[in-house]
Amino acid sequence: QSVLTQPPSVSAAPGQKVTISCSGSSSNIGNNYVSWYQQLPGTAPKLLIYDNNKRPSGIPDRFSGSKSGTSATLGITGLQTGDEADYYCGTWDSSLSAGMFGGGTKLTVL
Amino acid sequence: EVQLVQSGAEVKKPGESLKISCKGSGYRFTSYWIGWVRQMPGKGLEWMGIMYPDDADPRYSPSFQGQVTISADKSISTAYLQWSSLKASDTAMYYCARQLDLWSGDYWGQGTLVTVSS
Repeated sequence: QSVLTQPPSVSAAPGQKVTISCSGSSSNIGNNYVSWYQQLPGTAPKLLIYDNNKRPSGIPDRFSGSKSGTSATLGITGLQTGDEADYYCGTWDSSLSAGMFGGGTKLTVL
Repeated sequence: EVQLVQSGAEVKKPGESLKISCKGSGYRFTSYWIGWVRQMPGKGLEWMGIMYPDDADPRYSPSFQGQVTISADKSISTAYLQWSSLKASDTAMYYCARQLDLWSGDYWGQGTLVTVSS
């Protein structure tokens, strides 16, 4: 069981907005930046968000990130069927001196 | 173009040793950390450890400390993940990633599937 807690699944209709939460503690999210990844079926993870809310080059602004206290949120607007994937949050844990990922959230676009 | 190319799939028996590789190109290999991530079948991502290629001191997750060894040969821009004695529970996909920081991989390899079975 991951130290970072994500909902196992979320769903929404095409064109709608969805948010995915990632809950941690003061030793991880509370004092470190958060990243978000998208993993399409059968492919390697892809970085969507780093430093809580920055998007790498090429990532559309439909994807956004935020952080408040010991929780972080990924937002996706204008949902497309191609957004169906597993999404993971990641951060550093200062107590463990190690990186960590959330358990992952499966997004279904109905 | 930044690329990380991993070695091919492996099928091994329990107790055997293994070393998989990750070759970086399109960037200065010694300027970025390289991380390794495990994904067991049907499961989530697990952060294993990282290494700065210009430094001989990898950092490991407590879950993987003593179970694997991370190394790099900067002369050929290649990072490695190795096991001295594989277990069936090591069956997984293993990814390498160039790190923006200690936990954010911005470019990923295609993955190496390791299957350990008697």
